[in-house]
Amino acid sequence: NAGVTQTPKFQVLKTGQSMTLQCAQDMNHNSMYWYRQDPGMGLRLIYYSASEGTTDKGEVPNGYNVSRLNKREFSLRLESAAPSQTSVYFCASSALPLQGGTDTQYFGPGTRLTVL
Amino acid sequence: EDQVTQSPEALRLQEGESSSLNCSYTVSGLRGLFWYRQDPGKGPEFLFTLYSAGEEKEKERLKATLTKKESFLHITAPKPEDSATYLCAVQIYGQNFVFGPGTRLSVLP
Repeated sequence: NAGVTQTPKFQVLKTGQSMTLQCAQDMNHNSMYWYRQDPGMGLRLIYYSASEGTTDKGEVPNGYNVSRLNKREFSLRLESAAPSQTSVYFCASSALPLQGGTDTQYFGPGTRLTVL
Repeated sequence: EDQVTQSPEALRLQEGESSSLNCSYTVSGLRGLFWYRQDPGKGPEFLFTLYSAGEEKEKERLKATLTKKESFLHITAPKPEDSATYLCAVQIYGQNFVFGPGTRLSVLP
């Protein structure tokens, strides 16, 4: 039982390049989330998927797109990377829909992205 | 505006020196308050959920408490392995989670 896995662990991009961050969970959770974490700031929600087939914007969605590929996998895409997107990205999952009840989120190990 | 603050920003303790971390929140409606531990280079690890004022939860040397305005994470007789960043998050009715910036705890042997 690996929990939440993310790939890659590290990535360096040049401004304007694109890439996709991958996330998978093996806990049969319904909901999945993408956060970014910047120094001195709390985790900020980028996008979430309350259930398979649905996605919604979070607090900071600009410059990102997501795909809920199936119940296990949720990817985050940067179409044209900018230096402001340099951050650590975390994927999380939970059993219940985010607004359907209080529920614990379980986090992956993170992807450290640098945009030059 | 919904807001979560944590204090202190950083805390250095000697092994065995008990202390408390604070999480203060101003939100429109609290559904639950969460504490996470985050080690360097890793994702947050769930510790506790608190739902109502007066509630307490314990795990080994950690005890979390909740009032109407804030939560405390009490660390009793800490050990070096307790060194980590401790994150507080609140879930708001009808909305997503709001995370605090964290308290970086160092426990020296």
